[in-house]
Amino acid sequence: DIVMTQSPDSLAVSLGERATINCKSSQSVLYSSDNKNYLAWYQQKPGQPPKLLIYWASTRESGVPDRFSGSGSGTDFTLTISSLQAEDVAVYHCHQYYSTPGTFGGGTKVEIK
Amino acid sequence: QVQLVQSGAEVKEPGSSVKVSCKSSGSIFSNYAITWVRQAPGQGLEWMGGIIPLFGTAIYAEKFQDRVTITADESTRTAYMELSRLKFEDTAFYYCARAGREYQLLSWSDPWGQGTLVAVSS
Repeated sequence: DIVMTQSPDSLAVSLGERATINCKSSQSVLYSSDNKNYLAWYQQKPGQPPKLLIYWASTRESGVPDRFSGSGSGTDFTLTISSLQAEDVAVYHCHQYYSTPGTFGGGTKVEIK
Repeated sequence: QVQLVQSGAEVKEPGSSVKVSCKSSGSIFSNYAITWVRQAPGQGLEWMGGIIPLFGTAIYAEKFQDRVTITADESTRTAYMELSRLKFEDTAFYYCARAGREYQLLSWSDPWGQGTLVAVSS
């Protein structure tokens, strides 16, 4: 199974400041035949299911604010919130869908400083 | 817009089985995989398996291979996840989620059901 490791486990950021979350996979999730990274990011607020933010590592889902962006390739990925808003307080999960079983990172909790 | 509505919370005894349903509305059902993911209280997400209703064959994570059965009924647009020989550590929220890509089990997941709490208690 591909192991997904997120860092940090939690971070506190001031309103309007940048939040950066890292995700590392134990093997590459870049599929050579289509040159796509099989990596997604989700936001999960308390008491709610996860919500899709980003897929193909950097494609923003429709309706997701443009302050959310994804980057990276191969084994190292980053989710960036460019200007943290109060409604962004949540746990963020990365997910590889390169091979079964699909696996998730342990989650990163984002709070307001 | 696709919506997934799951069945209600369950309390089960160790050694018993639970069957959770996931009803889809709003778009094509058969061509998109439904996957099942669980989340123990305060823990991360764990992929259990999935099925593309059109093809009918489920794929399971090895950890659950001998205890989980995932099925789908195209006529009612409903997917099911049955977990047998329940243990205390199976206490968790169980989510169904639809694949974002047609005909692909390996995909991002969107949308997700609201979650079903299964509590295993004696």
